[in-house]
Amino acid sequence: AQSVTQLGSHVSVSEGALVLLRCNYSSSVPPYLFWYVQYPNQGLQLLLKYTTGATLVKGINGFEAEFKKSETSFHLTKPSAHMSDAAEYFCAVSEGSGNTGKLIFGQGTTLQVKP
Amino acid sequence: KAGVTQTPRYLIKTRGQQVTLSCSPISGHRSVSWYQQTPGQGLQFLFEYFSETQRNKGNFPGRFSGRQFSNSRSEMNVSTLELGDSALYLCASSFNPGDSGELFFGEGSRLTVL
Repeated sequence: AQSVTQLGSHVSVSEGALVLLRCNYSSSVPPYLFWYVQYPNQGLQLLLKYTTGATLVKGINGFEAEFKKSETSFHLTKPSAHMSDAAEYFCAVSEGSGNTGKLIFGQGTTLQVKP
Repeated sequence: KAGVTQTPRYLIKTRGQQVTLSCSPISGHRSVSWYQQTPGQGLQFLFEYFSETQRNKGNFPGRFSGRQFSNSRSEMNVSTLELGDSALYLCASSFNPGDSGELFFGEGSRLTVL
């Protein structure tokens, strides 16, 4: 069965600093991995996804993530934080090979950006 | 184009009542999934519909049910409400099931059970 663990429920960075949000997964099949972002009182928005191929994936708003099979990790990074990045971030794995709307989400990480 | 629309956005019910939530997917999308979001349990999958058929169901009691109509709109129903059903209910749509994980979420229906 698939599962996702996000390390750190709250992360605080200064504006302009590196953002690093950690995600480890467990999957019995080659994983399809995702990062979603949720702004207050809104639904979730896909930031980026890994399906197959290149292990470094780039997403919207300057975020990227690297799939490391040996470490079962899919950490999210952004070189320079902006105040508008403050939100909750969710790592997720597809239960199947991307052909299902059933995603297994981590518990989420709230990113705080200080001026 | 318009996004995923969920109605109502907010509602308050009392224990024992039932509730119906509605979801209109993005035009052309045929797959709809529902999730429950709570502070304690996080985001949990409820069910997935495609072409009016339930393809997948999460680990929720039978009080939670759903359906999809021929125009792809979906509804979910919770009967005999319990306090623990207070949550944000999110609907997500995609053209095909999963679409490699690219789900488009609505803003949710926030249910409070008193």
